Amino acid sequence: EPEVTQTPSHQVTQMGQEVILRCVPISNHLYFYWYRQILGQKVEFLVSFYNNEISEKSEIFDDQFSVERPDGSNFTLKIRSTKLEDSAMYFCASSEARTGSNSPLHFGNGTRLTVT
Amino acid sequence: AQSVAQPEDQVNVAEGNPLTVKCTYSVSGNPYLFWYVQYPNRGLQFLLKYITGDNLVKGSYGFEAEFNKSQTSFHLKKPSALVSDSALYFCAVRAFTQGGKLIFGQGTELSVKP
Repeated sequence: EPEVTQTPSHQVTQMGQEVILRCVPISNHLYFYWYRQILGQKVEFLVSFYNNEISEKSEIFDDQFSVERPDGSNFTLKIRSTKLEDSAMYFCASSEARTGSNSPLHFGNGTRLTVT
Repeated sequence: AQSVAQPEDQVNVAEGNPLTVKCTYSVSGNPYLFWYVQYPNRGLQFLLKYITGDNLVKGSYGFEAEFNKSQTSFHLKKPSALVSDSALYFCAVRAFTQGGKLIFGQGTELSVKP
């Protein structure tokens, strides 16, 4: 069964550094998402992406965050200047379709980001 | 705005007993509801969904969920729990926004003891 893959599985960075989290969504999916989860707590929506532009973003997704689909397969999340509170598990997800659809989101195994 | 709530942080069940993990929702219009499971250090795995039709939805690993419109609930159930069912369970509703994001509940930790 096709799956969403994320790399790296664990990223350690120093405060103020830039990080890029990478995702390869399922190949025929058109809608892409980033979520984060702080220490096994609630899963929080960050951003959704379709047709090479952001569809929706949350309050968490401020100017320090950006997303990109640099080629036909990768979907990246960049944090420009990391803060301690950015430490979390970041999940990428993809879906065949969006609003009004019965398609579930398929999630990757996540990247654990630790900011020191 | 759509939202879901999971009133229990933790549910403890003995192996072989039935289990229920509760979820209530708040949406205007017809809800699209989902259950996901998360094992330690893993992503969220889709279990089942309710869109329309039969109020009892069957999903993966023997789980099922009952949609109750009058009580605005979508409880996850399994007739006979396994130790391997121990995990974090999330209820979610699909938002009717341009991006179609999922909005998650706060999660319920299920612990099944032998």
